[in-house]
Amino acid sequence: GEDVEQSLFLSVREGDSSVINCTYTDSSSTYLYWYKQEPGAGLQLLTYIFSNMDMKQDQRLTVLLNKKDKHLSLRIADTQTGDSAIYFCAVPDVPYGGATNKLIFGTGTLLAVQP
Amino acid sequence: KAGVTQTPRYLIKTRGQQVTLSCSPISGHRSVSWYQQTPGQGLQFLFEYFSETQRNKGNFPGRFSGRQFSNSRSEMNVSTLELGDSALYLCASTLSGGETQYFGPGTRLLVL
Repeated sequence: GEDVEQSLFLSVREGDSSVINCTYTDSSSTYLYWYKQEPGAGLQLLTYIFSNMDMKQDQRLTVLLNKKDKHLSLRIADTQTGDSAIYFCAVPDVPYGGATNKLIFGTGTLLAVQP
Repeated sequence: KAGVTQTPRYLIKTRGQQVTLSCSPISGHRSVSWYQQTPGQGLQFLFEYFSETQRNKGNFPGRFSGRQFSNSRSEMNVSTLELGDSALYLCASTLSGGETQYFGPGTRLLVL
C-alpha cells in the first residue's frame, strides 16, 4: 500500500521561506494534498495539486511535484508566526479501477516560526 | 455554506463503555470518511461511506463500526472502549469519490 513520509520538524525565522518535503510510494494518485492542523483543531485544506502538474502557486503557497522521484514539496513564502502549525501531506490510496476517499497521511511536519 | 460538523466535541468515557460519534457532512456531499489521530500512530483511516454503504475500511478491530443515513449524516461507534482508543476522531466529507475532502473539527475522546 501507499506510504507517505515527511520530516518531523522545521524551524524558520519570520519573513523567511519555509519548505516542507514529502515522499510517497504510489504514483497512481490523481490529486495530492497539503493540510494544516493548528493546536486542538481539525485539518484545514491548504492546497492540492493535480498529478499531471509540476507546480501550483496559490498566493504565498507553492507546491512542487516531481512524479519521477515521487516527491512533493510545499513552499510558504514570507512565513509568519501564524503559520506555526503541523503540516500534513496526504495521498489518496486508490484501488485499482475504483474510487475512494481514503487518504494516507504523512507523519506531519511541525513548523515553528521564530519572531 | 456550513462546513463539516462533529458532535460531541469532547467526550470522556471509561474502559469497557461504548461511544457514538456523529458527523454531518457539507450540504450536498454524499461521502463521509472517518480517521483516528493519535500521537503514536498519526492519522489513520477508519472507514468510508457513500450512499449509506461502506465503501472502504481500514485496519481496525470489529469494535469500530459505522453507518451512514439517507441524509448522508454518519455515525461511528466504538464498543468495549480501551485506553488506546483515546484519540481525536476526524470526519471528512466529499461529493462522491476522488475529490477534495473537507474535515470537521474532530471529537476528542478520552478513555479512563
